Amino acid sequence: AQSVAQPEDQVNVAEGNPLTVKCTYSVSGNPYLFWYVQYPNRGLQFLLKYITGDNLVKGSYGFEAEFNKSQTSFHLKKPSALVSDSALYFCAVRVRGAGNMLTFGGGTRLMVKP
Amino acid sequence: DAGVTQSPTHLIKTRGQHVTLRCSPISGHKSVSWYQQVLGQGPQFIFQYYEKEERGRGNFPDRFSARQFPNYSSELNVNALLLGDSALYLCASVGLAGAVTDTQYFGPGTRLTVL
Repeated sequence: AQSVAQPEDQVNVAEGNPLTVKCTYSVSGNPYLFWYVQYPNRGLQFLLKYITGDNLVKGSYGFEAEFNKSQTSFHLKKPSALVSDSALYFCAVRVRGAGNMLTFGGGTRLMVKP
Repeated sequence: DAGVTQSPTHLIKTRGQHVTLRCSPISGHKSVSWYQQVLGQGPQFIFQYYEKEERGRGNFPDRFSARQFPNYSSELNVNALLLGDSALYLCASVGLAGAVTDTQYFGPGTRLTVL
């Protein structure tokens, strides 16, 4: 069975500073990794995904994520945070043979302060 | 193109009642998945449907059922509602079932409150 851990319930950063939201995973087989963002009272919005190839994946709104197989991690990063980035972020994993089922982490709330 | 749509937006029911939630996928998408998101937690997989057939089921009781229609829209039904069923129910659509590399696109969700 696969699992995802987001070790930080909340991350606080100042606007303009770099941000990192951590994610580690546990799977049997090759992982397909995703990041989603959720704004209040909204559904999940896709940010980026890692399927294969380059370990650094670039996504929407200036976000990027680095896949590290040896550390089984897929941390979300952004060089310069905006107040509007404040939201709930979810990391998810899918494996071949599990259909479309995504397994999500518990989420990390990002607070960007002016 | 319109994204994933869900109805209703909000719903209040009492324990023991039945509820039906509806979802229309992105045009051209043939697979729909349902997730339950309890407040403060990540979404949990309930069902996947493709071409009107169930292709996956999460760890949910038989009170939960779903179906997919020829136009690829879907309904999630929950019988004998419990307080613990209060959650945001999310529908996601993807082009093909089992295509692990495809992105799932989520709708805005239906907020169910059970009193």
